[in-house]
Amino acid sequence: EAGVVQSPRYKIIEKKQPVAFWCNPISGHNTLYWYRQNLGQGPELLIRYENEEAVDDSQLPKDRFSAERLKGVDSTLKIQPAELGDSAVYLCASSLVGRVNEQFFGPGTRLTVL
Amino acid sequence: AQKVTQAQTEISVVEKEDVTLDCVYETRDTTYYLFWYKQPPSGELVFLIRRNSFDEQNEISGRYSWNFQKSTSSFNFTITASQVVDSAVYFCALSDLDQTGANNLFFGTGTRLTVIP
Repeated sequence: EAGVVQSPRYKIIEKKQPVAFWCNPISGHNTLYWYRQNLGQGPELLIRYENEEAVDDSQLPKDRFSAERLKGVDSTLKIQPAELGDSAVYLCASSLVGRVNEQFFGPGTRLTVL
Repeated sequence: AQKVTQAQTEISVVEKEDVTLDCVYETRDTTYYLFWYKQPPSGELVFLIRRNSFDEQNEISGRYSWNFQKSTSSFNFTITASQVVDSAVYFCALSDLDQTGANNLFFGTGTRLTVIP
């Protein structure tokens, strides 16, 4: 069974540029999460989707970050414009509905903002 | 508020030594789950164990064992006879119940384990 797929694995951009990350969850997993992991820290939740609905986006910086999961499967996380402080690893995870305790993580996208 | 503390930032051991990674948590919930994840250099978080707040039995899985003590709010992880492949960053995490009835994961800052051959 394929795991959570993320692309790209690495992205280097200049500040003020836009950037987008893509995630394909495990087949059948209705719940999808985006986390941000700063260097030397643990992951922090940005947004959680149940199917196509964002049920928890309280930690998403809405002035520059946006996310979508239009068909309840793949998801895209966007930053526009990027700032230096956005440099981090962006992790996607998925689980069955109501089974947050069994999250499966993708390899992440390492973003460097110059 | 939920909080997970991993006081050990980095640990180095020589291969075959035993090593214990500490985790202390804070929560007001009576029902919660505790986790350990491994993050190798590839970056993907690998699930190791989940424990619910009502089950204080210690668990052993091969060279791994976990000691859950509610009295001290600790959930420590021991690797016996460490191997080079154990080198990774290990995260302890806590999940609670939010208003929707679902759970969110709160991670500690991680402990980087280096096993020296």
